[in-house]
Amino acid sequence: EPEVTQTPSHQVTQMGQEVILRCVPISNHLYFYWYRQILGQKVEFLVSFYNNEISEKSEIFDDQFSVERPDGSNFTLKIRSTKLEDSAMYFCASSEAPGRGEQFFGPGTRLTVL
Amino acid sequence: QQQVKQSPQSLIVQKGGISIINCAYENTAFDYFPWYQQFPGKGPALLIAIRPDVSEKKEGRFTISFNKSAKQFSLHIMDSQPGDSATYFCAASSRGQNFVFGPGTRLSVLP
Repeated sequence: EPEVTQTPSHQVTQMGQEVILRCVPISNHLYFYWYRQILGQKVEFLVSFYNNEISEKSEIFDDQFSVERPDGSNFTLKIRSTKLEDSAMYFCASSEAPGRGEQFFGPGTRLTVL
Repeated sequence: QQQVKQSPQSLIVQKGGISIINCAYENTAFDYFPWYQQFPGKGPALLIAIRPDVSEKKEGRFTISFNKSAKQFSLHIMDSQPGDSATYFCAASSRGQNFVFGPGTRLSVLP
């Protein structure tokens, strides 16, 4: 069964450092998403991406964040200068088409900012 | 208006019992309502979803009831099992775009 994969599973970084979180969406999916979940809290939308551009972003997704699809398979989230409050689980998701609704989530990357 | 409210925050049910989790929304543009199940350390996994043109959808032991006029929907887990112990999130979206998640319900099913 196809699945969304994410690497690394856990990333520890110092405050102010740049991190790149990587995702490989399901191969025939065209829409990609990043969500985050602060420990014990709800899942929050960050950004959606289609046709090599951002479709929609939340107020959380400020200038510190960027997304990219550098090749045909990877989808990355970059945080330029991490802050303590960026510590969270980051989930990548993909869907075949937004109208179908189903978004499939990866296992997440736990980001710890020290 | 983008909020999705969810209750209860936590739920303890005996094995074989019925687990009921409720959600409410405000945005009438929402047209897709999924439920996700999340185990510790894992990503959310789609459990069941409904669109507002039907009032109920059943898949195995899981049923979504949808009340469009009240802007409420609920998840019923029949014959709850210890393996169902997880956190359940309701969500809503418009045109399948970004999901707005509820705060989650931690379900514990006692053996």
